[in-house]
Amino acid sequence: EAGVAQSPRYKIIEKRQSVAFWCNPISGHATLYWYQQILGQGPKLLIQFQNNGVVDDSQLPKDRFSAERLKGVDSTLKIQPAKLEDSAVYLCASSLGASLNTEAFFGQGTRLTVV
Amino acid sequence: KQEVTQIPAALSVPEGENLVLNCSFTDSAIYNLQWFRQDPGKGLTSLLLIQSSQREQTSGRLNASLDKSSGRSTLYIAASQPGDSATYLCAVDDMRFGAGTRLTVKP
Repeated sequence: EAGVAQSPRYKIIEKRQSVAFWCNPISGHATLYWYQQILGQGPKLLIQFQNNGVVDDSQLPKDRFSAERLKGVDSTLKIQPAKLEDSAVYLCASSLGASLNTEAFFGQGTRLTVV
Repeated sequence: KQEVTQIPAALSVPEGENLVLNCSFTDSAIYNLQWFRQDPGKGLTSLLLIQSSQREQTSGRLNASLDKSSGRSTLYIAASQPGDSATYLCAVDDMRFGAGTRLTVKP
């Protein structure tokens, strides 16, 4: 079974530029999560989708971050404009069901460096 | 708001030792708790999922316990090996994570 796919693996941009990350979850997984992980910290949930609807985006900086999952499958996370403090690893995860009792699987992440 | 804390932040042990990692959470009304492993530069790998109705789960040398009433979970690693060196993270329900425990097992 293929895992959660993310691209690109690495990205370096200048501050004030825009960037987009892509995630393809495990086939059939209804729930998709985007996390930001700053070096030395645990992952911070940015947004959670249930199919193509948003369940939780309370920690998403909506002035510069946006995410979509239009067909309820793959998803993109965008930052515009980027700031230095956005340098982090962006992780995507998916789980099978809507229930909170299902196991989550993570992609390898995209490491963003803003200079 | 759920807060998840992991202690210690870092741990170094000699190979062969048994060890315990701790995870505490402030809101005991949880549905599940997951333990993950993260290797440097990599994503997270799920180790064990404990549902609220369960008290423990075992996988090989790993055993995770859950005490909802006290807001605590422990991950027990038996006979540690250098390959166990990684950061171990716990997460509850809507995937709120602790900061992790960085484990180093010395040969």
